[in-house]
Amino acid sequence: EAQVTQNPRYLITVTGKKLTVTCSQNMNHEYMSWYRQDPGLGLRQIYYSMNVEVTDKGDVPEGYKVSRKEKRNFPLILESPSPNQTSLYFCASSPNMVGETQYFGPGTRLLVL
Amino acid sequence: DQQVKQNSPSLSVQEGRISILNCDYTNSMFDYFLWYKKYPAEGPTFLISISSIKDKNEDGRFTVFLNKSAKHLSLHIVPSQPGDSAVYFCAAAGGTSYGKLTFGQGTILTVHP
Repeated sequence: EAQVTQNPRYLITVTGKKLTVTCSQNMNHEYMSWYRQDPGLGLRQIYYSMNVEVTDKGDVPEGYKVSRKEKRNFPLILESPSPNQTSLYFCASSPNMVGETQYFGPGTRLLVL
Repeated sequence: DQQVKQNSPSLSVQEGRISILNCDYTNSMFDYFLWYKKYPAEGPTFLISISSIKDKNEDGRFTVFLNKSAKHLSLHIVPSQPGDSAVYFCAAAGGTSYGKLTFGQGTILTVHP
């Protein structure tokens, strides 16, 4: 089954404790992206990757890092999480840069205390 | 600076009637627009798209209209069904990178039986 998986689905952590949210897709897609969803702000793109070793900033990259060492995985790293990074995070993948073929994962709900 | 805006946080419609969801953008470099639907506890799913070379695109009950001079697009759902109740996001891409996708805040659509 074609899918985008994210782990963990729920996470409670404390300020400053490094964490990684994993994202994996099994569709051999070149494009992957991370978003956060916040009430009243909709979805905002954090980072995207157009292929292995190619990443670029979205609208809200501050406080986040990503890497794309292999095509299927695109982890999101919070080196020093802060409470304003409490949010619902979505990973997505697509065979091309942007468009209707973008598949979203189920989301990761993060609470930073 | 919100480059894509959905000014109506919510919309309530009777089953069988038309639902019209609106979206405005400010960046004249945007030339590709998409609508996504999102149910609670799930990732967004693609609904319909339109490029700036068109002013209308239809897919079954869903039609998207684009008015480039007004920098405005709208999604029409006819007839509306209770299963259409969800959050609808418009998104835009274009300019220097088609990897970057900018979303609106979302509109909660409720279709009453």
